Amino acid sequence: GAVVSQHPSRVICKSGTSVKIECRSLDFQATTMFWYRQFPKQSLMLMATSNEGSKATYEQGVEKDKFLINHASLTLSTLTVTSAHPEDSSFYICSAPRQGGDYGYTFGSGTRLTVV
Amino acid sequence: DAKTTQPPSMDCAEGRAANLPCNHSTISGNEYVYWYRQIHSQGPQYIIHGLKNNETNEMASLIITEDRKSSTLILPHATLRDTAVYYCIVRSWMDSSYKLIFGSGTRLLVRP
Repeated sequence: GAVVSQHPSRVICKSGTSVKIECRSLDFQATTMFWYRQFPKQSLMLMATSNEGSKATYEQGVEKDKFLINHASLTLSTLTVTSAHPEDSSFYICSAPRQGGDYGYTFGSGTRLTVV
Repeated sequence: DAKTTQPPSMDCAEGRAANLPCNHSTISGNEYVYWYRQIHSQGPQYIIHGLKNNETNEMASLIITEDRKSSTLILPHATLRDTAVYYCIVRSWMDSSYKLIFGSGTRLLVRP
């Protein structure tokens, strides 16, 4: 149980275009979704926290106008990378707290974004 | 910033126990310790978590010192598929929610 489905797994886009990444909680309600970014050979860096029905909160140094987050329902959160540039190429991963009081967190399988 | 420090790399022989240490000297009384691992180009996989008691599940054991300033993840019989980056994380309350802030992790290599 507690699966987060992330799509697409890989995407290549041209500079200047926008890309949307979706994370769906399949068998539980995700009131909160965390978005991370990971560059090669580095650790995961928390970008933002989204809560269903409210504005996302962004970590210091993350441009909210560039990384648009929408969490309109209890099972879907999206991250849109707007006006993508090659330096946005990275591995993006979402994560949601599991329900049931065990305080665990489930991660999506990640999206490899390449901007050319 | 991450509240944990881990050795950058370790190795062990297949079939032997892998003991991965983690220091979290600034941990607060109600903060949990989590362990995740990440195999290349995949999302992190949950291993185990605990508050102050030792924990065991089908994957691993977690030993937390009495002062809670450090912990050890034990993989009892490492296999080649356990080669991965292992992250020790202290779940922290920040900006109105509990968050997992990743440190740099330990790259474990299991040798045949």
